[in-house]
Amino acid sequence: DVKVTQSSRYLVKRTGEKVFLECVQDMDHENMFWYRQDPGLGLRLIYFSYDVKMKEKGDIPEGYSVSREKKERFSLILESASTNQTSMYLCASSLVTGELFFGEGSRLTVL
Amino acid sequence: DQQVKQNSPSLSVQEGRISILNCDYTNSMFDYFLWYKKYPAEGPTFLISISSIKDKNEDGRFTVFLNKSAKHLSLHIVPSQPGDSAVYFCAASATVTGGNEKLTFGTGTRLTIIP
Repeated sequence: DVKVTQSSRYLVKRTGEKVFLECVQDMDHENMFWYRQDPGLGLRLIYFSYDVKMKEKGDIPEGYSVSREKKERFSLILESASTNQTSMYLCASSLVTGELFFGEGSRLTVL
Repeated sequence: DQQVKQNSPSLSVQEGRISILNCDYTNSMFDYFLWYKKYPAEGPTFLISISSIKDKNEDGRFTVFLNKSAKHLSLHIVPSQPGDSAVYFCAASATVTGGNEKLTFGTGTRLTIIP
């Protein structure tokens, strides 16, 4: 059974803290993605990666960075968390475009 | 600029009746469309897709219709069941460069099936 695992389901951080969100997939997928979901805005793409050590900006990359040192792992980093980064973060992977497999999400609250 | 739009934030349908969820897009380069379903506290799961070379794709109770000239697609669920209550996201991609294109999602429609 395919699996995308996000390390933390719920996090509470303070403004200015550095935040790491980890994502691991066990399907040997080349592509990995980070989205955020906000009410009324749907899912918006933050960053994606088509290969190890490779990254591309999505639609809303400001305030975020990513790391992909291994094929199965894709990390999202908030260098200095702000309250407007309070959101549900969703990691996904795929072999080809479409049919993304999503993790269960990480709900981040920044106080 | 919202390239994929779902204008109905919510929809309530009686159990056993047809649910119709709508989606409009503005980017004429989009040629592959998908619907995802999301339950609370879970990640979205793939439901059904359609390529722009087709105008209909069916999978059990779920049918997706594509009207390219109107840049409109719809998802029909017949008959609707209580387990269909979820948020539905429409998504689109442009595969003209041969793949590995990112998906653009709509804002979602919350479907509630009334027993």
